[in-house]
Amino acid sequence: GNSVTQMEGPVTLSEEAFLTINCTYTATGYPSLFWYVQYPGEGLQLLLKATKADDKGSNKGFEATYRKETTSFHLEKGSVQVSDSAVYFCALSKGSQGNLIFGKGTKLSVKP
Amino acid sequence: SQTIHQWPATLVQPVGSPLSLECTVEGTSNPNLYWYRQAAGRGLQLLFYSVGIGQISSEVPQNLSASRPQDRQFILSSKKLLLSDSGFYLCAWRSRDRGGLAGSYEQYFGPGTRLTVT
Repeated sequence: GNSVTQMEGPVTLSEEAFLTINCTYTATGYPSLFWYVQYPGEGLQLLLKATKADDKGSNKGFEATYRKETTSFHLEKGSVQVSDSAVYFCALSKGSQGNLIFGKGTKLSVKP
Repeated sequence: SQTIHQWPATLVQPVGSPLSLECTVEGTSNPNLYWYRQAAGRGLQLLFYSVGIGQISSEVPQNLSASRPQDRQFILSSKKLLLSDSGFYLCAWRSRDRGGLAGSYEQYFGPGTRLTVT
């Protein structure tokens, strides 16, 4: 079946460090891929998305490229800030109802 | 613009008591609606989704139920809560499918309800 695997956290970085959070997926066909962010005590916010192979989603300095050959959608940011501390979820959407399948989330802590 | 509301924000209930969580969406019509649960240290689990009034699909068998009495209202209920029902409950909406591209539409989440069953 369809599934999403994210790197285990937590990830702790210093401010201005480079961030990579790995995400790989298993699905037949061509799912859409998403990154969501959850700040403490809040709901999820869409960070970026990609709907076909080689698409690059970007927002707020974050980027992810849909790589069908490696079934991956890794999240990157060149210089993280303390305000980026949150839990990041990778997800795929497929099927006639477009239901989302989430990874388990990766907690990021950025220290000043 | 569209907004999604959930209430209450937090809830503490004893085991065996009933539950009713409400979600409403503004600024859109005929949305798909979703209930998720996020247990401590775990990812998000889809509980129910609805494509229209009175139409509910259950993803996980359990002692919870959902109803959609109005187009933009989605309610999560239980007759008797269990300890294992504790968690963070999130409601989400998505635009109705147009042209068979359902998978490309993102979901938008509400602020969530923190439920503690004691």
